[in-house]
Amino acid sequence: AQKVTQAQTEISVVEKEDVTLDCVYETRDTTYYLFWYKQPPSGELVFLIRRNSFDEQNEISGRYSWNFQKSTSSFNFTITASQVVDSAVYFCALIPYSGGGADGLTFGKGTHLIIQP
Amino acid sequence: GAGVSQSPSNKVTEKGKDVELRCDPISGHTALYWYRQSLGQGLEFLIYFQGNSAPDKSGLPSDRFSAERTGGSVSTLTIQRTQQEDSAVYLCASSLRRLAGTETQYFGPGTRLLVL
Repeated sequence: AQKVTQAQTEISVVEKEDVTLDCVYETRDTTYYLFWYKQPPSGELVFLIRRNSFDEQNEISGRYSWNFQKSTSSFNFTITASQVVDSAVYFCALIPYSGGGADGLTFGKGTHLIIQP
Repeated sequence: GAGVSQSPSNKVTEKGKDVELRCDPISGHTALYWYRQSLGQGLEFLIYFQGNSAPDKSGLPSDRFSAERTGGSVSTLTIQRTQQEDSAVYLCASSLRRLAGTETQYFGPGTRLLVL
């Protein structure tokens, strides 16, 4: 079984500050995929990034960056120069490379990010 | 192109009634997933389809829940004899194909179910 832990329930920062959302995972599988999704107040889950377990390169996309460290089973997400539009609930998720398995995504509980103007 | 669509967007029903939730995946996506999001349980995986087939139904919360998919496209999640604990947002997602879970899942807006 898999487990994803997002220890930060809620984070509040002032606009333009940098903020890091933590994600720690547990899995017995050697091959797996990690994801981050954003859920704005409208409710729809928006895909942000997918990363496989063999690729530990950090990734940057505009103001967003992700730090994957297999040694600590962490996949943290940093928003640089935060904006009010970044306010949302962010979910980290994991799915094993399971061949014929029937697993869906295992989600963390989410981190509610509030960006104050 | 169009994303995943779900209907209805909101459903209020009385305890004991049956409800049907519908999901239209992204055109060309062969894999389809159902999840449930509730305050107490967070996001839970329910079931997935590859084509019209659901290999494992063990994620469904009880035997009151069933799901089907026809024509490799539209899927229906049915809850019989609804209970108050069924109140939640039901999310559908689709992916291009279910290659051992490697494909990105794209989510619909969800159906918010309230059982009175």
